[in-house]
Amino acid sequence: GENVEQHPSTLSVQEGDSAVIKCTYSDSASNYFPWYKQELGKGPQLIIDIRSNVGEKKDQRIAVTLNKTAKHFSLHITETQPEDSAVYFCAASMRSNNDMRFGAGTRLTVKP
Amino acid sequence: GAGVSQTPSNKVTEKGKYVELRCDPISGHTALYWYRQSLGQGPEFLIYFQGTGAADDSGLPNDRFFAVRPEGSVSTLKIQRTERGDSAVYLCASRRGTSNSPLHFGNGTRLTVT
Repeated sequence: GENVEQHPSTLSVQEGDSAVIKCTYSDSASNYFPWYKQELGKGPQLIIDIRSNVGEKKDQRIAVTLNKTAKHFSLHITETQPEDSAVYFCAASMRSNNDMRFGAGTRLTVKP
Repeated sequence: GAGVSQTPSNKVTEKGKYVELRCDPISGHTALYWYRQSLGQGPEFLIYFQGTGAADDSGLPNDRFFAVRPEGSVSTLKIQRTERGDSAVYLCASRRGTSNSPLHFGNGTRLTVT
């Protein structure tokens, strides 16, 4: 089955700086890669996603890049704000079985 | 519109007891997933339904865990003879049913086995 690895496990940045979180996946059949933000006591919330037919997607301060050859994808947050502090998860999903597997998460802290 | 609803939000039970956790997915979502999340970890896949049938139950840890979705909407995760190691947040998610659409999560049920 699919295996998703995520790093770093913790990340601390100064307000206004950029943050980058990286994930790798094992199954080349994976075709959908969402990113989720989870705040304390809540379920994960989708923040951005990318499909395997594109290499980059941007939504305001958030962008995701995908390298299918290397089987890795990254989340980029620019101009970070304290409210960006949360745990972020990457995931990968395959068309063949509708499965979705998650990385272990990155705890992002944005210091004011 | 209404999101995924999970009840109860918290459940405390004694070791050896039986528990049921309920999930109401978003209306019209044919696919429903259960995950388990331990502190500091990512969601761990348990089972996935497409309609009424369990399409993949490979993540259920053992035969004490069982889930149903009899009418293709609400799902119940059932845990028999609970153990302290079952303590975790149980997350439910639904999606439209296509593999390249996002999962929408509920806020989870925090299960504590004493």
